[in-house]
Amino acid sequence: QKEVEQDPGPLSVPEGAIVSLNCTYSNSAFQYFMWYRQYSRKGPELLMYTYSSGNKEDGRFTAQVDKSSKYISLFIRDSQPSDSATYLCALRDGGSQGNLIFGKGTKLSVKP
Amino acid sequence: DTEVTQTPKHLVMGMTNKKSLKCEQHMGHRAMYWYKQKAKKPPELMFVYSYEKLSINESVPSRFSPECPNSSLLNLHLHALQPEDSALYLCASSPGLAAAYEQYFGPGTRLTVT
Repeated sequence: QKEVEQDPGPLSVPEGAIVSLNCTYSNSAFQYFMWYRQYSRKGPELLMYTYSSGNKEDGRFTAQVDKSSKYISLFIRDSQPSDSATYLCALRDGGSQGNLIFGKGTKLSVKP
Repeated sequence: DTEVTQTPKHLVMGMTNKKSLKCEQHMGHRAMYWYKQKAKKPPELMFVYSYEKLSINESVPSRFSPECPNSSLLNLHLHALQPEDSALYLCASSPGLAAAYEQYFGPGTRLTVT
């Protein structure tokens, strides 16, 4: 079993839809959770960063962490065509010296 | 400002060439990273520098040679690469190595080895 599982999609939704992106993990040592957005042929852009169970909101984006279930989510409200990108979850354990463990990424397409 | 810059944006090189990739950040970050990303795959860690010293080398072939001349600059020297080394090379930085710090990525250099 891989350390981080993420459905690669592709996921296609109409403009205005609520999008739910998810990752599951197996290592309970993971304590820090990030979501990156990567447009085609560009570098990953940090969207959300959390380190505790619960929700964190930033504009149209909400990151959710459930450590008991080893499950993290990113919700996008009122999705826009400009949200079309690949979304990568990235996790790190408390003792890590730099190793981010990435999910495979989910490719999202928001249709006008 | 959370900007990491990388040059060049694109690079085409032959297998006998020597070239260098450059990364710069002015956020005062003390940890810098090189990642390699193949198409439709997540980034893979190559090297980590902390306070200008190599901290992690993820068993990368010696044809890739990193260098950190100062706290703002990170180079990746390339020599005798193979076509399978063609990829997007990403630089990232963070305030330090502690796990709590976020990593910020640059736009990448798209490398093609012919």
